[in-house]
Amino acid sequence: ETGVTQTPRHLVMGMTNKKSLKCEQHLGHNAMYWYKQSAKKPLELMFVYNFKEQTENNSVPSRFSPECPNSSHLFLHLHTLQPEDSALYLCASSHRLAGSSGANVLTFGAGSRLTVL
Amino acid sequence: KQEVTQIPAALSVPEGENLVLNCSFTDSAIYNLQWFRQDPGKGLTSLLLIQSSQREQTSGRLNASLDKSSGRSTLYIAASQPGDSATYLCAAGLPNDYKLSFGAGTTVTVRA
Repeated sequence: ETGVTQTPRHLVMGMTNKKSLKCEQHLGHNAMYWYKQSAKKPLELMFVYNFKEQTENNSVPSRFSPECPNSSHLFLHLHTLQPEDSALYLCASSHRLAGSSGANVLTFGAGSRLTVL
Repeated sequence: KQEVTQIPAALSVPEGENLVLNCSFTDSAIYNLQWFRQDPGKGLTSLLLIQSSQREQTSGRLNASLDKSSGRSTLYIAASQPGDSATYLCAAGLPNDYKLSFGAGTTVTVRA
């Protein structure tokens, strides 16, 4: 385990379902991120939270809804998804926002593999 | 916008050969560059982080170099082993910009 835990690891859902992905870190990090990884494509940043406040919504469709109740937990609520949303969803955390001063390594979770039927 | 490219997309080598993985980026004003490893169906594991003021970083058999002027970073893996088989990704960060730009990765297969 890397210190960032994602559940569930695998999720299959229909287009009308509502589900949530959960991410948890106990590394004392203040920034958390959601990334989408599709086959043969670079990672796409979706959302960024810093000290529980959303600092970035990278033009993500509203069928993806993030929630960050505290600095240790991050959720991604899913509703009315499309088959093209099938991908590996990765959560990451860092002590400070990426781009801040000092070495700032991103720690990733193992990902949640989502399949939309 | 920072564009990061990794060529080749896939690489196959016999065990024991040294691996050379390339990463190029378009904006030389990077703050740092990170190399990650990803095993199939898994998340990313950080391997090395090079600050913009550094030229290289080493960890065991891994050595990463950074040449900002040419927009390149290279990851060297000495004496490759089958356990090194994975996808290796690089990511470049710009100052005050938390949108790390990732390359698509190089998938390495080390043949026993």
